[in-house]
Amino acid sequence: SQTIHQWPATLVQPVGSPLSLECTVEGTSNPNLYWYRQAAGRGLQLLFYSVGIGQISSEVPQNLSASRPQDRQFILSSKKLLLSDSGFYLCAWSVGTDQPQHFGDGTRLSIL
Amino acid sequence: KNEVEQSPQNLTAQEGEFITINCSYSVGISALHWLQQHPGGGIVSLFMLSSGKKKHGRLIATINIQEKHSSLHITASHPRDSAVYICAVRFGRDTDKLIFGTGTRLQVFP
Repeated sequence: SQTIHQWPATLVQPVGSPLSLECTVEGTSNPNLYWYRQAAGRGLQLLFYSVGIGQISSEVPQNLSASRPQDRQFILSSKKLLLSDSGFYLCAWSVGTDQPQHFGDGTRLSIL
Repeated sequence: KNEVEQSPQNLTAQEGEFITINCSYSVGISALHWLQQHPGGGIVSLFMLSSGKKKHGRLIATINIQEKHSSLHITASHPRDSAVYICAVRFGRDTDKLIFGTGTRLQVFP
């Protein structure tokens, strides 16, 4: 069966520090991968999605970047975190466009 | 503008009650998702539908394409159903982008 792993579960970082969140999927090949952010009191917002290795689509201009170095690995990064980067970050995968998406347990990021 | 509206924002119920959560969207869609977010933050996909009705256990999801409206029903609600229920839509067939509602927070009391 397919599983998705996302870590860390919680993270507290100072303003200006770098960020790396990792997401891996097991049990499937060539999944579509997604990074979402849920700010306090707001709905989920798609940040990045990827349909293959090295293929990244950005939905929202921001302080973040994403990379897909391997088929089932998706990384969310920042060189210098801002206070506004605080939120709950979720990784998800699907077998293709217009298919159900399956979510990781999320990373709660607090910027101090 | 593509928008997704959910109602109510908050809902409380007694165990055993029938629950209805509503979702309306502004333009035609290719698919609508219902998701459940537990207090810890984890999200589970409940349904994906583009027409008609789907049922899974005590959960029923319906969609009316003409009225641009979907409902999620929970029969014989239970305290473990307490969660945030989120509606999300895909507005085109060639995009992977989902637009999310802000969710309905449901609390079921014993």
